Amino acid sequence: RKEVEQDPGPFNVPEGATVAFNCTYSNSASQSFFWYRQDCRKEPKLLMSVYSSGNEDGRFTAQLNRASQYISLLIRDSKLSDSATYLCVVNSPSGNTGKLIFGQGTTLQVKP
Amino acid sequence: DTGVSQNPRHKITKRGQNVTFRCDPISEHNRLYWYRQTLGQGPEFLTYFQNEAQLEKSRLLSDRFSAERPKGSFSTLEIQRTEQGDSAMYLCASSPASNYGYTFGSGTRLTVV
Repeated sequence: RKEVEQDPGPFNVPEGATVAFNCTYSNSASQSFFWYRQDCRKEPKLLMSVYSSGNEDGRFTAQLNRASQYISLLIRDSKLSDSATYLCVVNSPSGNTGKLIFGQGTTLQVKP
Repeated sequence: DTGVSQNPRHKITKRGQNVTFRCDPISEHNRLYWYRQTLGQGPEFLTYFQNEAQLEKSRLLSDRFSAERPKGSFSTLEIQRTEQGDSAMYLCASSPASNYGYTFGSGTRLTVV
């Protein structure tokens, strides 16, 4: 079983749609959670951290369910510029390395 | 530019040759990571430095791979006797502490022919 699992998609949605991505992680001791965005042939960039209480940044909402070891990202009012791959990321709890484990990524295509 | 810098951006090499990549992290960041990413996959951890000490290596890092961070600033990743399976994007990232997200460099795309 992969340490971080995501549906690779692709998710094809029209502009203005709301889309949700889900992710599960295997190690219950993980403490830090993130969503990264990666454009084609570019490096991943931090989109947002995910907090236990859930958090919002404009059109983006991230939620964490520790009991189910499940993380989600909701994008409202999708824009063409949201087209990218979204990577679910959790820290490796062993040691104090700050090592991050990345999911496979979920590809989003927003169509006009 | 105060971001993470990687050189070269692209490298094409013949099978069996050695290659070396360089990463210059954000200067205040004492933690440096190397990852490898292939098409359709997320980045996979290769190795981690805290200052000049290499504290963790993935089993993905075979004997042909070596990484250094001699003065706790820039880092190099060398691949000896390259194989076609080494073709990938090699990403460097830095972080100021654990529990922080990373800042990635633009990566070095390696093609082994």
